[in-house]
Amino acid sequence: SAVISQKPSRDICQRGTSLTIQCQVDSQVTMMFWYRQQPGQSLTLIATANQGSEATYESGFVIDKFPISRPNLTFSTLTVSNMSPEDSSIYLCSVASSGVGAPQHFGDGTRLSIL
Amino acid sequence: KNEVEQSPQNLTAQEGEFITINCSYSVGISALHWLQQHPGGGIVSLFMLSSGKKKHGRLIATINIQEKHSSLHITASHPRDSAVYICAVLAGKSTFGDGTTLTVKP
Repeated sequence: SAVISQKPSRDICQRGTSLTIQCQVDSQVTMMFWYRQQPGQSLTLIATANQGSEATYESGFVIDKFPISRPNLTFSTLTVSNMSPEDSSIYLCSVASSGVGAPQHFGDGTRLSIL
Repeated sequence: KNEVEQSPQNLTAQEGEFITINCSYSVGISALHWLQQHPGGGIVSLFMLSSGKKKHGRLIATINIQEKHSSLHITASHPRDSAVYICAVLAGKSTFGDGTTLTVKP
C-alpha cells in the first residue's frame, strides 16, 4: 500500500494567517483527496486534487479559502487561508488508485489549532 | 439523516471481551471501508469489502449487501484496540460514518 507523508503533523497558528500542508506519496497515484475532521466529528471531503488542473471542491468549500496544488502524481498541498478558530481541525490527505471501489490510504493528518 | 449510521457511538469493554460495531447505510455502494483512527489522528485502513467476510488477526468484518449492513468484530479485545472505528462507504466518493469510540480497559 502507498506510504503517505504529511507535514506538518501539527501547528498552532494565529488568527488571520495562512498555513500550507504538504502531502507526499511514495508512488504515483491517480486520486488525491483532502479531508477535514472537526473536533468530535467524522471526516468531510474538502476537495479532490487533480494533477495538472484545478481541484474539484465539495459544497461548502471554496478555492479562495482552501487553495490546492497538485503539480505531479506524488505530491499535493492544501493551504488554509485567513484562518479563524473555526478552522481548528485535523486535515487529512488520502490517496487511491483509479477504478471503482479502489481502497483509500490516509496520511497521519495535520492537527491545526487557531488561536 | 446521515447516509451512514454507526452504532454504538461509544463503547467501553473489559480486556478480553468480544466487540461488535455496526454500520448501516442507505445508498448503493461499490465497497465499504473499515478504518481505525488513533488519538494522534492518523487513520489506518483495516478492511475494504464488497461482499461476505474478511478476517485479519483478531479482526473480522462482514457485510450484507441486501440488508445494507456491515459489522466489525474484535475478538479477545486488548487496551491497544482503543481507538475510533469509522465505517466509510464508497459510492463514487467516500461517505463516512461518525465513528465509534472504543475504550478497552485492562
